[in-house]
Amino acid sequence: RKEVEQDPGPFNVPEGATVAFNCTYSNSASQSFFWYRQDCRKEPKLLMSVYSSGNEDGRFTAQLNRASQYISLLIRDSKLSDSATYLCVVTNAGNNRKLIWGLGTSLAVNP
Amino acid sequence: EPEVTQTPSHQVTQMGQEVILRCVPISNHLYFYWYRQILGQKVEFLVSFYNNEISEKSEIFDDQFSVERPDGSNFTLKIRSTKLEDSAMYFCASSDLAGGQPQHFGDGTRLSIL
Repeated sequence: RKEVEQDPGPFNVPEGATVAFNCTYSNSASQSFFWYRQDCRKEPKLLMSVYSSGNEDGRFTAQLNRASQYISLLIRDSKLSDSATYLCVVTNAGNNRKLIWGLGTSLAVNP
Repeated sequence: EPEVTQTPSHQVTQMGQEVILRCVPISNHLYFYWYRQILGQKVEFLVSFYNNEISEKSEIFDDQFSVERPDGSNFTLKIRSTKLEDSAMYFCASSDLAGGQPQHFGDGTRLSIL
């Protein structure tokens, strides 16, 4: 089983749509959770950390379900500029510095 | 805002040659990392570096790879005898003393092995 698995995508949505990304991780002892965004052939950029209680940053909402080993990202009112690949990233217990990456889900927001 | 810088942006090298990829981490950061991303694949951890030594390395980081902090600002990744499968984007990252997160990424070096 892959350490971090994501919906393969691609997701094609119209502007203004709500889109949800899902991610599962295999190590129940995983410690920290993140969503990164990567534009084509660019570096990954941290979008948001994911906290146990769930957290929101503007149009973006992240949820964590430790029992199911599941992480989600919801984007509301999607913009053209949201088009990118969204990467689910975890770290394992006792090693908060080694980032373990999912393959990513590609999002295209269309006018 | 301070940023991690990487040079060169694109490196083309013949198979078997040595390459050195350079990174300047954010100045007050103490943890440094290299990741790579083969085209169409996931980002993969290569190595982390702290206090002038490797703190962790992956299976990918074999004897042909080495890292160095030759002075107070640069952090380098050397590949001694490049193979075709070393072709990838290589990302450098750094984080501060608090450790781990967030990691700030450079914009990468695209390495093409011919």
